[in-house]
Amino acid sequence: SQQGEEDPQALSIQEGENATMNCSYKTSINNLQWYRQNSGRGLVHLILIRSNEREKHSGRLRVTLDTSKKSSSLLITASRAADTASYFCATAPIGGFKTIFGAGTRLFVKA
Amino acid sequence: DTEVTQTPKHLVMGMTNKKSLKCEQHMGHRAMYWYKQKAKKPPELMFVYSYEKLSINESVPSRFSPECPNSSLLNLHLHALQPEDSALYLCASSQSRLVAGASNTGELFFGEGSRLTVL
Repeated sequence: SQQGEEDPQALSIQEGENATMNCSYKTSINNLQWYRQNSGRGLVHLILIRSNEREKHSGRLRVTLDTSKKSSSLLITASRAADTASYFCATAPIGGFKTIFGAGTRLFVKA
Repeated sequence: DTEVTQTPKHLVMGMTNKKSLKCEQHMGHRAMYWYKQKAKKPPELMFVYSYEKLSINESVPSRFSPECPNSSLLNLHLHALQPEDSALYLCASSQSRLVAGASNTGELFFGEGSRLTVL
């Protein structure tokens, strides 16, 4: 069963706007990761946030983690057409071996 | 560019065929994974190898047979597949050491996948 659920399922924005995607999960986790996947390609790791961290930045990416609400958000600022892709959160449960992926958000950035 | 290489990129096979998917990484990672991904769905874990030993089998049908000949290579042998097995098969590796009681803490490095079509 999936650990993470994401919303929205799809998001369409104009270039230059910010994009926010949310992820919720069910069990206690060791860390939460975000991945990007271009259509038909492999997944690319974007950022990892540990359970004892609340916010992390990487370039135009900002990730927050609220372990009390079992939720995370990914913010992409000043989006570009090249950001068009599917974005997945993935969790590593405490005591578990598996990295489990959420349903994903399909982002479309219009030029 | 990915450091995990998967071959072939595309594979079409009949239900009676035997074929293999191959995956190679040279990052020194000791955990390797097979995921299956259907269109517009997230990757689903199939198998995990840790130090060349099978650590996790997510109740995958026996028509899928994984093999880890050494720390750099991971194969997925396919036999008597069904059309519903058509999907993108993704290989990944990580530095995580998967042992009893320990959690996976590392990022996954994915290959570009092998697109499988079963006729």
